Amino acid sequence: GDSVTQMEGPVTLSEEAFLTINCTYTATGYPSLFWYVQYPGEGLQLLLKATKADDKGSNKGFEATYRKETTSFHLEKGSVQVSDSAVYFCALSTGGGNKLTFGTGTQLKVEL
Amino acid sequence: EAGVVQSPRYKIIEKKQPVAFWCNPISGHNTLYWYRQNLGQGPELLIRYENEEAVDDSQLPKDRFSAERLKGVDSTLKIQPAELGDSAVYLCASTGEGTEAFFGQGTRLTVV
Repeated sequence: GDSVTQMEGPVTLSEEAFLTINCTYTATGYPSLFWYVQYPGEGLQLLLKATKADDKGSNKGFEATYRKETTSFHLEKGSVQVSDSAVYFCALSTGGGNKLTFGTGTQLKVEL
Repeated sequence: EAGVVQSPRYKIIEKKQPVAFWCNPISGHNTLYWYRQNLGQGPELLIRYENEEAVDDSQLPKDRFSAERLKGVDSTLKIQPAELGDSAVYLCASTGEGTEAFFGQGTRLTVV
């Protein structure tokens, strides 16, 4: 079946540091890939997505590139802020129905 | 525009008691999902509705869980009787034609 593997957290960074959160996937078919973010006390929000190989999703300074050859969708940001502290979930969707398969989430803590 | 609304936000019950969660999706969204998120894990799909029809309930523990979506709008998820292992956050999400999934804030259930 489909699965998503994320690097374990928590990841603790200083403000303005470079961020990478690794995500790899296994899927039957040709998935769409997503990063969702969950801020404290809030629901999941879509951060970015990519629907085909070599697509780059981007939003709020975050980027991720759909790499079919390595089955990866790593999240990056060049300079993190304290306000980026949250839990980040990598997810995929295959077939109809938009059912999402999530990774376990990576908590990011950004300190001054 | 109002997002996905869930209630209650928190619920504490004793084991063997019944509990119900309510979800109001975004207006016009025909597809509704219930996910369960265990502590430290990503959400896992319980059931998906297309309008009022449950089209994917393969992960719903049908011996104690039930769901309904009358008139294809609001939905209710019920557990009867609850067990200690049911403690989790229950998330509702909805999608419209061509949109990504929008999530509610979730109901945090604690079974004692």
